[in-house]
Amino acid sequence: DAKTTQPNSMESNEEEPVHLPCNHSTISGTDYIHWYRQLPSQGPEYVIHGLTSNVNNRMASLAIAEDRKSSTLILHRATLRDAAVYYCILRVGQNFVFGPGTRLSVLP
Amino acid sequence: ETGVTQTPRHLVMGMTNKKSLKCEQHLGHNAMYWYKQSAKKPLELMFVYSLEERVENNSVPSRFSPECPNSSHLFLHLHTLQPEDSALYLCASSQSRALNTEAFFGQGTRLTVV
Repeated sequence: DAKTTQPNSMESNEEEPVHLPCNHSTISGTDYIHWYRQLPSQGPEYVIHGLTSNVNNRMASLAIAEDRKSSTLILHRATLRDAAVYYCILRVGQNFVFGPGTRLSVLP
Repeated sequence: ETGVTQTPRHLVMGMTNKKSLKCEQHLGHNAMYWYKQSAKKPLELMFVYSLEERVENNSVPSRFSPECPNSSHLFLHLHTLQPEDSALYLCASSQSRALNTEAFFGQGTRLTVV
């Protein structure tokens, strides 16, 4: 019942920026946009979240469209360790509901 | 290290066995979650506890039985499982169920039912 759509997979070259898109056209005014990533053989890891304004932290930046119907996770300089499945999530009720995410491959 | 610890990391059990998965967090969080991740499928939310009370049970078969004895610990008791229950079981916690809180996940228990 995920309310977001993401590309199945993307590729990036090492040390280049990566822009991971997410569409959430049914977003409501109180929905926060969350991003998580899951490295192989590990549990998901929190990356960033935001409501309306763009957000930055040590891991990434989150750019939110003015109408909030889409967002983009930006990794400024991809490394091999950033290869993972990236999930864009809107909370369903109060729950974290995951879709299939985007599998990011980083090429050396 | 997320502050959420799951044990064991790997478990192999027969269909007639009874086993338990353990999750522990000392982050002071009030909400805890069990998820199941089967091969090549998205995470499926199984159970949600808030302030030690179960608030969500997403049509999970009764052979899975959760327990939350206190705010720091969450168990998943398993009995008479089927091979299709083999999966990665993930525990998570969050400060609360407020929409702006983030979840912290453990590394999971890889369960194989034989």
